[in-house]
Amino acid sequence: SAVISQKPSRDICQRGTSLTIQCQVDSQVTMMFWYRQQPGQSLTLIATANQGSEATYESGFVIDKFPISRPNLTFSTLTVSNMSPEDSSIYLCSVAPPGQGFETQYFGPGTRLLVL
Amino acid sequence: GQQLNQSPQSMFIQEGEDVSMNCTSSSIFNTWLWYKQDPGEGPVLLIALYKAGELTSNGRLTAQFGITRKDSFLNISASIPSDVGIYFCAGQLQNSGYALNFGKGTSLLVTP
Repeated sequence: SAVISQKPSRDICQRGTSLTIQCQVDSQVTMMFWYRQQPGQSLTLIATANQGSEATYESGFVIDKFPISRPNLTFSTLTVSNMSPEDSSIYLCSVAPPGQGFETQYFGPGTRLLVL
Repeated sequence: GQQLNQSPQSMFIQEGEDVSMNCTSSSIFNTWLWYKQDPGEGPVLLIALYKAGELTSNGRLTAQFGITRKDSFLNISASIPSDVGIYFCAGQLQNSGYALNFGKGTSLLVTP
């Protein structure tokens, strides 16, 4: 497995502002993933972030709204831009450690975002 | 993503009882994963299944990858209060890259 941390753990933001969420892993991983979990709901993949290339976004998610950086093999950021109350969710990063297959993903503790 | 039908939606049981939950889909999956999420935490991986028919245990937890590759179940034996939480199934679709599709979760409550 891997030890994953996220910052901030929670935040309350005003609509129209942006928030950048950080994800740090204790080991080098090729693939990192960003998910959204809306209140009381399941997890939905936002995008896949590979080091050295553009993130790949899932249907319904766009780079202008959720820009992602992946500067090295242990770190990634997700920005939630021009926020509205509908963006209130838990944002989770996950990683697929080497040796187990990229579909075997371990999750960070999440960032709980409330947009007023 | 493809819809995973997870049932039951919730369970309320007494300590010591066995629990069973399952996920089904109309699509074929290469991998099935089971996670547990406690309030305020991220999902924790319980069991990963990679081959049709595979039966894997992790302590009191047992999960199986259905032979049709369209379903999976998770059993918890002799439940204890700390089993309380939301259990999610997740699957990686055949020919779809590494994205995981998640079920809607089973909320488990265990009374002492």
